[in-house]
Amino acid sequence: EAGVAQSPRYKIIEKRQSVAFWCNPISGHATLYWYQQILGQGPKLLIQFQNNGVVDDSQLPKDRFSAERLKGVDSTLKIQPAKLEDSAVYLCASKVAPDMETQYFGPGTRLLVL
Amino acid sequence: AQSVSQHNHHVILSEAASLELGCNYSYGGTVNLFWYVQYPGQHLQLLLKYFSGDPLVKGIKGFEAEFIKSKFSFNLRKPSVQWSDTAEYFCAVKANTNAGKSTFGDGTTLTVKP
Repeated sequence: EAGVAQSPRYKIIEKRQSVAFWCNPISGHATLYWYQQILGQGPKLLIQFQNNGVVDDSQLPKDRFSAERLKGVDSTLKIQPAKLEDSAVYLCASKVAPDMETQYFGPGTRLLVL
Repeated sequence: AQSVSQHNHHVILSEAASLELGCNYSYGGTVNLFWYVQYPGQHLQLLLKYFSGDPLVKGIKGFEAEFIKSKFSFNLRKPSVQWSDTAEYFCAVKANTNAGKSTFGDGTTLTVKP
């Protein structure tokens, strides 16, 4: 089966600019996650969707980050405006349902903010 | 709030050496535990998981981990490493609820010298 797709793979922007990332989960996966992985750290959950509803966005910096999954399939994560400390890899993951065991990760988008 | 601590940031071993990577977590309730691996240039993927039952779990590629509840630990082991095991290893804990989110440790980079 096809895996989790993410684009772009790399992005370089200047601080205060805006950027958007796209994720297409595995077909049929109702649960979708966005993680932020700063260099030298483990992934940190930003937001969890169940279909098109938000389950947990407690760690999403809502003053600058937003995410949506309008039709319950693919999702976008936006940063506006970006700060230097947003430089990280943004990972998308999905799984069939919240109570299922395994989440599948995409390749990530590496963001560099100058 | 849950947290995960991985004791070693970087481990260097020779082929055929035995491996043990430490992982301790902090959470007061029932947990699910995971080890993920990220090979160079590849996605994060699940290595093994513990949900319930036998505290000694076996994963892919000869890896195993033991859940010791009294020590809040879930250490990863392999009796004889290979050069192809060179990767970054992440321990993660998830509260055993449908909405429970995964919290990752900061990872251990394993380098196996041929």
